[in-house]
Amino acid sequence: DQQVKQNSPSLSVQEGRISILNCDYTNSMFDYFLWYKKYPAEGPTFLISISSIKDKNEDGRFTVFLNKSAKHLSLHIVPSQPGDSAVYFCAASSQGGSEKLVFGKGTKLTVNP
Amino acid sequence: DTAVSQTPKYLVTQMGNDKSIKCEQNLGHDTMYWYKQDSKKFLKIMFSYNNKELIINETVPNRFSPKSPDKAHLNLHINSLELGDSAVYFCASTLTGKGVETQYFGPGTRLLVL
Repeated sequence: DQQVKQNSPSLSVQEGRISILNCDYTNSMFDYFLWYKKYPAEGPTFLISISSIKDKNEDGRFTVFLNKSAKHLSLHIVPSQPGDSAVYFCAASSQGGSEKLVFGKGTKLTVNP
Repeated sequence: DTAVSQTPKYLVTQMGNDKSIKCEQNLGHDTMYWYKQDSKKFLKIMFSYNNKELIINETVPNRFSPKSPDKAHLNLHINSLELGDSAVYFCASTLTGKGVETQYFGPGTRLLVL
């Protein structure tokens, strides 16, 4: 039973344009959401997070939007750069912490020069 | 200075063997984790230790035994390896009790069981 779903396995975007990565979740107890970025042969690295009390969090070129009623979050990257090419994992946890993260399958983003 | 390190990076072994993977973090964190990323690319938690005590143990076969000699280390020992154990194993750590906690991951250990 996938509690966190990333339905697009891959996404290709032109450099300078916006990348939008989507994530859906089923567990209404989740109250904290994170995005991790992973390059090949490396571990995931934390990118940005959002608490369920917010609907938007911004950090430079990265913005995460949360729609609690739809149980949906998205990561916007603008402008996209070739160095952003990686696999992006959505993760969720309950009780406000990352004690037990539940991950999606990831979306492979390719930013073309 | 690697924050979370794992050894070995690659491990190829025969079915039935026993192997260990080591993890060390130099971040001063008090909680460490083991995750498994299988062939379907799902990243799933296996174990979590806080101050050397087991706090999360997902449905993992008894053949997997984590050991935490101190807060900075969490090793994973696997007995009687099976083909299905082939995966990438990631160690992670975090500092709890500071509000929202971010987990920091190691580079992964790629295990192939033949």
